[in-house]
Amino acid sequence: NAGVTQTPKFQVLKTGQSMTLQCAQDMNHEYMSWYRQDPGMGLRLIHYSVGAGITDQGEVPNGYNVSRSTTEDFPLRLLSAAPSQTSVYFCASTPRGMRETQYFGPGTRLLVL
Amino acid sequence: SQQGEEDPQALSIQEGENATMNCSYKTSINNLQWYRQNSGRGLVHLILIRSNEREKHSGRLRVTLDTSKKSSSLLITASRAADTASYFCATDLNYGQNFVFGPGTRLSVLP
Repeated sequence: NAGVTQTPKFQVLKTGQSMTLQCAQDMNHEYMSWYRQDPGMGLRLIHYSVGAGITDQGEVPNGYNVSRSTTEDFPLRLLSAAPSQTSVYFCASTPRGMRETQYFGPGTRLLVL
Repeated sequence: SQQGEEDPQALSIQEGENATMNCSYKTSINNLQWYRQNSGRGLVHLILIRSNEREKHSGRLRVTLDTSKKSSSLLITASRAADTASYFCATDLNYGQNFVFGPGTRLSVLP
């Protein structure tokens, strides 16, 4: 199993550009989520999904969209990038029946100029 | 302020010593988890303690939970250089649908 994979590893955007951060897992996990990590702030939940076709907002959803058309994929879209979205983004997944342990991807480092 | 906050923010010890990190939180929880993050990597789950448990062990890790004080501690015994990482506590407010992470403790274990 590859586990949770994220692409790209690093991205530079200009203000106003849009992009999609990819997240995939091959463990048939039911629950997936997106976090951002900023210095001194820990991880903050952006959006999460409890299964294909179901998504919900976390603590900091503004400026981001998600969809969950398959169990494996959970892309995060930045609609119009802003410098405040400069951060490291982590995707995580949780197995069915074990919704208490999260498996994290390696992260995507995003710089918005 | 945040639900979970670790203390200290940074800790530097010698190899072989024990390292203790604390986590305080504000609201009722279902469970509390500790994660490790090596530099430039994702978080790795270490241990989970449920709200009705007081102490849990896993290898060189010992976690305690005091729900009356809304606090937890993570003890790493006989530390190794490979333990150098940031450690985060995460409180589970809604059975896996709402995790809140603290800002973390940066641990440096010197050889």
